Amino acid sequence: KQEVTQIPAALSVPEGENLVLNCSFTDSAIYNLQWFRQDPGKGLTSLLLIQSSQREQTSGRLNASLDKSSGRSTLYIAASQPGDSATYLCAVRTGGFKTIFGAGTRLFVKA
Amino acid sequence: NAGVTQTPKFRVLKTGQSMTLLCAQDMNHEYMYWYRQDPGMGLRLIHYSVGEGTTAKGEVPDGYNVSRLKKQNFLLGLESAAPSQTSVYFCASSYTGTLNTGELFFGEGSRLTVL
Repeated sequence: KQEVTQIPAALSVPEGENLVLNCSFTDSAIYNLQWFRQDPGKGLTSLLLIQSSQREQTSGRLNASLDKSSGRSTLYIAASQPGDSATYLCAVRTGGFKTIFGAGTRLFVKA
Repeated sequence: NAGVTQTPKFRVLKTGQSMTLLCAQDMNHEYMYWYRQDPGMGLRLIHYSVGEGTTAKGEVPDGYNVSRLKKQNFLLGLESAAPSQTSVYFCASSYTGTLNTGELFFGEGSRLTVL
């Protein structure tokens, strides 16, 4: 059974710092991995999607990597800003139609 | 450019009452999903649909029913609400086809409280 874990559960950093959020999964047989952002009381916004055949994806200050063999993905945020404060969710899609979510990392960027 | 729209956004029910949550997407996606989000537990899949007229159970289907009569709509029903169904419900959809990336698109959520 696929399980997705995100560490740390919460993170507080000063503005301008580069940071890494971690996601691990137990079964390497995945279809894709998607990173989301969720603001309080809001829905999930897709940030990056990495297909199983890819190693990384980049969008602006965000870079996500995928290492299927070790069951890990990282989301790198460069030059963090207070507006980056949110909960970041990692989600792994299996070969079927099911996507398993981690519990998320709550990020707070201090001005 | 609406994407995925959920109604209602907030609802308070008494134990035993019934209600239906509506999800509508305008992206012509084949796949649609209902999730619930509870503190510390991440999102869990309730039911999903791979096309008009088809539905299937997810991880936590008990106490819920769904219908997909039209491709753009996916309804989630609670026949007899229980306090354990207090949660935030999210609808999502994804595309399928030769360029299928499997990317999920989410609605804004529906917050349900059962007293």
